[in-house]
Amino acid sequence: AQSVTQLDSHVSVSEGTPVLLRCNYSSSYSPSLFWYVQHPNKGLQLLLKYTSAATLVKGINGFEAEFKKSETSFHLTKPSAHMSDAAEYFCVVSDPSNTGKLIFGQGTTLQVKP
Amino acid sequence: GAVVSQHPSWVICKSGTSVKIECRSLDFQATTMFWYRQFPKQSLMLMATSNEGSKATYEQGVEKDKFLINHASLTLSTLTVTSAHPEDSSFYICSVMDGGPYRNQPQHFGDGTRLSIL
Repeated sequence: AQSVTQLDSHVSVSEGTPVLLRCNYSSSYSPSLFWYVQHPNKGLQLLLKYTSAATLVKGINGFEAEFKKSETSFHLTKPSAHMSDAAEYFCVVSDPSNTGKLIFGQGTTLQVKP
Repeated sequence: GAVVSQHPSWVICKSGTSVKIECRSLDFQATTMFWYRQFPKQSLMLMATSNEGSKATYEQGVEKDKFLINHASLTLSTLTVTSAHPEDSSFYICSVMDGGPYRNQPQHFGDGTRLSIL
């Protein structure tokens, strides 16, 4: 069965420092992986997606993620955090049932300190 | 990606009333939409898959008579919380699946509806 584990429930960084949000997945096939961001009382916005093309995926707002099959990881990074990056981040894998369903991680809260 | 509009964004109502939430795909014909529920500081929980022109597919444990879903057109799905009670208070989010036969495409989400039942 597919699953997603976000290794940190809360990450705190200072503005201008790098961001690393960790995600491991479990999948019996070649998965499609996504990172979404959710600001308070808002829906989810797609940051980036991996669908078996390049393993280093660039997304919006300076975020990127690297798909590492050997480590079953899809960590999200950003070189320099901005105050506006403070939000909830979800690592998501597509369900292989071909129904379009998504399997969500538990989320990581990113705090950015001035 | 698809632009999704969800309405209302916030609703407060008395216990026992029914509340309808609309999810519109503004620039994309969506045969499939999804409805989620999110509790505070938790991840999203899929409630049901809404299919245009047919019955919704509900996840295990979700009461289909409590949460009525209608997907009568390619741009509109509605979720009606019937006879709402305080335990139904939550954040409800809809999404539209991008792409036709490509099931591994991302979903695009509405801004959610905060439902508070007094």
